[in-house]
Amino acid sequence: GNSVTQMEGPVTLSEEAFLTINCTYTATGYPSLFWYVQYPGEGLQLLLKATKADDKGSNKGFEATYRKETTSFHLEKGSVQVSDSAVYFCALSGGSNYKLTFGKGTLLTVNP
Amino acid sequence: EAGVTQSPTHLIKTRGQQATLRCSPISGHTSVYWYQQALGLGLQFLLWYDEGEERNRGNFPPRFSGRQFPNYSSELNVNALELEDSALYLCASRLAGGGETQYFGPGTRLLVL
Repeated sequence: GNSVTQMEGPVTLSEEAFLTINCTYTATGYPSLFWYVQYPGEGLQLLLKATKADDKGSNKGFEATYRKETTSFHLEKGSVQVSDSAVYFCALSGGSNYKLTFGKGTLLTVNP
Repeated sequence: EAGVTQSPTHLIKTRGQQATLRCSPISGHTSVYWYQQALGLGLQFLLWYDEGEERNRGNFPPRFSGRQFPNYSSELNVNALELEDSALYLCASRLAGGGETQYFGPGTRLLVL
């Protein structure tokens, strides 16, 4: 079946540091890949997505590239802010039911 | 455009009771998904409704059930509540024929005492 593996957190960075959160996946066929973000006490917000190999999703300074050869979709941001502190989930959607399979989430804390 | 809404925001029940959670999708979205986010278990797929029918369910017992109404809103029912049902229940909607992106509501936090 489908599965997503994310780097375990928590990740603690200083403001303006570079961020990478690793995500690899196992899936049959050609899934779509997503990063969702969950701020404290809230639901999930779509951060970015990519639907085919070599696509790059980007939003709010975050980027991730769909790498089929390495089955990866790593999240990066060049300069994090305190407001980026949240839990980040990598997810894939595959199959005719479009259900999402999530990684376990990575807690990011950015200190001023 | 209004996003996905869920009610109530918080719900406290005792073991053995029933809980009913509600979700209104984004206008025009006909697919509704339910997920459970329990501490230590991550986000798990519960149910998928589309055009009023249950299309798929995750690995949950039958006491988790629901329905979708003609206006595409949805209800999740959890019968015979157990302590481990305490979790954040998230609803998401998707535009049929509009790709795979799901948009999430703020969730209902269920506490079973």
